[in-house]
Amino acid sequence: KQEVTQIPAALSVPEGENLVLNCSFTDSAIYNLQWFRQDPGKGLTSLLLIQSSQREQTSGRLNASLDKSSGRSTLYIAASQPGDSATYLCASANAGGTSYGKLTFGQGTILTVHP
Amino acid sequence: GAGVSQTPSNKVTEKGKYVELRCDPISGHTALYWYRQSLGQGPEFLIYFQGTGAADDSGLPNDRFFAVRPEGSVSTLKIQRTERGDSAVYLCASSLWGRGDNQETQYFGPGTRLLVL
Repeated sequence: KQEVTQIPAALSVPEGENLVLNCSFTDSAIYNLQWFRQDPGKGLTSLLLIQSSQREQTSGRLNASLDKSSGRSTLYIAASQPGDSATYLCASANAGGTSYGKLTFGQGTILTVHP
Repeated sequence: GAGVSQTPSNKVTEKGKYVELRCDPISGHTALYWYRQSLGQGPEFLIYFQGTGAADDSGLPNDRFFAVRPEGSVSTLKIQRTERGDSAVYLCASSLWGRGDNQETQYFGPGTRLLVL
């Protein structure tokens, strides 16, 4: 059974700082690894999807990497802004069985960027 | 529609009552997923539909939970004899095919916040 863990649970940084969020997973048989953002009281917004054959994906100030062999993914946020404050969730899309793309989530990292 | 919608946005009920939660996926999306999110936790998978059929219901906690998608579009999650432990945010997501394409993104609705008193 896939298990996904995110470290740290919470992070508070000053505006402008570069930061890294970590995600680890136990089963490397994945289709992809996805990063989401969740604002308080809201649903999830997809940020980046890294295919199992890829090493990284970039979107604006965000860069996500994937190392399947070690079961790790990182989300790098450059030049953080107060608007980046949210909970960040990583999720693996599990391969095999009948549930194509069923996501297993970590517990999230709560990010606060203060002015 | 423009995105995944869920109704109601909030639902308060009493222990032992029956509730229905509705999800309208993005038009044309074949795959539909239900997840449950407790406070401070990541979402947990409940059930997945490919078209009208439930391809995987392994996440449903017990037989009080049931979901349908009769016409392959709108889905309803049904909870019988609700318990206080059922209180959570119920999230619905849809994707284009659900075939395990490694490029396929899931799009989430805003969720239904269920409170069982």
